[in-house]
Amino acid sequence: AQKVTQAQTEISVVEKEDVTLDCVYETRDTTYYLFWYKQPPSGELVFLIRRNSFDEQNEISGRYSWNFQKSTSSFNFTITASQVVDSAVYFCALSEPSGTYKYIFGTGTRLKVLA
Amino acid sequence: DTEVTQTPKHLVMGMTNKKSLKCEQHMGHRAMYWYKQKAKKPPELMFVYSYEKLSINESVPSRFSPECPNSSLLNLHLHALQPEDSALYLCASSRGAGQGEEKLLFGSGTQLSVL
Repeated sequence: AQKVTQAQTEISVVEKEDVTLDCVYETRDTTYYLFWYKQPPSGELVFLIRRNSFDEQNEISGRYSWNFQKSTSSFNFTITASQVVDSAVYFCALSEPSGTYKYIFGTGTRLKVLA
Repeated sequence: DTEVTQTPKHLVMGMTNKKSLKCEQHMGHRAMYWYKQKAKKPPELMFVYSYEKLSINESVPSRFSPECPNSSLLNLHLHALQPEDSALYLCASSRGAGQGEEKLLFGSGTQLSVL
């Protein structure tokens, strides 16, 4: 069965601190896709990144970076030099080719960045 | 146009009312989704339309009735709702292949309150 675990319910950091959001997944498929979405207080989920199971290269986009490790079934997200605008709920999600439009979301991590 | 537009943004309705939520996209996406999100929870899939045909109904009560009049529009008709149906209703779209690799593009949601 597929499952996504985000063990951190809420994290508070002070502006300019680095913060890592954890995501651990379970799947029996060898081909799968992992996503991160950001949900600010406005409500809309914003796509941040997609990774397929065959691409273990880490990715950096500005202050955001992602660490994908198949050996530990983890896809962690780091924000460097956090800013107040990063305050949001972040969801990790998993999908499979056989999943036919179904995405398994983690429970989300609420990040509060304090000025 | 790279947005998913949802209307209305807020809706208050009584348990005997009939109302509709509307979702529109003009990106040529052929898969459209309805999600329900309760506070502090991840989005829960309700319905998926693929190429204007209902592909997934996650055992949603019949008081919720989806409709996809054309490839750009998705409606959710509401009738005789219960207070526990109060939630954020999110529409999303994706290209449409359904192989799991597609990112979801979300609208900003309709915050529904049932009195």
